[in-house]
Amino acid sequence: AQSVSQHNHHVILSEAASLELGCNYSYGGTVNLFWYVQYPGQHLQLLLKYFSGDPLVKGIKGFEAEFIKSKFSFNLRKPSVQWSDTAEYFCAVNAGNNRKLIWGLGTSLAVNP
Amino acid sequence: KAGVTQTPRYLIKTRGQQVTLSCSPISGHRSVSWYQQTPGQGLQFLFEYFSETQRNKGNFPGRFSGRQFSNSRSEMNVSTLELGDSALYLCASSLADKGRETQYFGPGTRLLVL
Repeated sequence: AQSVSQHNHHVILSEAASLELGCNYSYGGTVNLFWYVQYPGQHLQLLLKYFSGDPLVKGIKGFEAEFIKSKFSFNLRKPSVQWSDTAEYFCAVNAGNNRKLIWGLGTSLAVNP
Repeated sequence: KAGVTQTPRYLIKTRGQQVTLSCSPISGHRSVSWYQQTPGQGLQFLFEYFSETQRNKGNFPGRFSGRQFSNSRSEMNVSTLELGDSALYLCASSLADKGRETQYFGPGTRLLVL
C-alpha cells in the first residue's frame, strides 16, 4: 500500500533560519507530488506540486521542493523563514491518474520572531 | 471565483445519530473528494465523485457514504455515529478527473460526536 512519511513532526525555528522538511513516499510507479500548507484558522492550500520535468519546483512564498526519484523523496525547502510561515505543512502523493491523495501526518512549524 | 464551501461548519451529534455534510465545489469543477482529518490519523481519503459517479473509495466502513448531484455539489452521510467519527471533514474539488489536477480544499466541517 502507498504511504507517505514526514520525518519532522514539530519544528521550531527562528526567523531567517533555513528550513527543510522531509517527505518520503512508497510507490514504485509514476507519482504526482504535492505540498500543502494550513495556516492557523485557514484552509489547506497548495504550496507547490511536481508532475514531471525539472525535479526542482518552485512554489508560492519562496518555497521550493526537490524530487529525488532514487530516494523516493520530495523535500520542502525555504532559505529564510519568516514568522508568517508558522503553519502545518503536509506532503501528499497520488499515483498516476488517480486523484486519491495519500497524506503524510504533517509537520507543525513554529517560527519565532 | 468563490472557493469550495462546506456546510455546516460545526456540528455536535450524539452516538447513534446520523449526519449529512454538504460541499459545493468551485464553479466548473466536476470532481469532489472527501477526506477525514484527525490528530492521530492525519488526513485520510474517504471517497471521490466525478460526474455523479463514485470513482474512488477509501478504507472506511459502509456507514460512510456519499453522493454527487448534477450540479457537482456533493453530500456525505455518516450513519450510526461513533465517538471515533469526531473529526474535521474536508471536501476538495478539482476541475477534471486527472491525477495531476490540483485539489482545492474547503474550510471543513468539524463534527463532534458525544
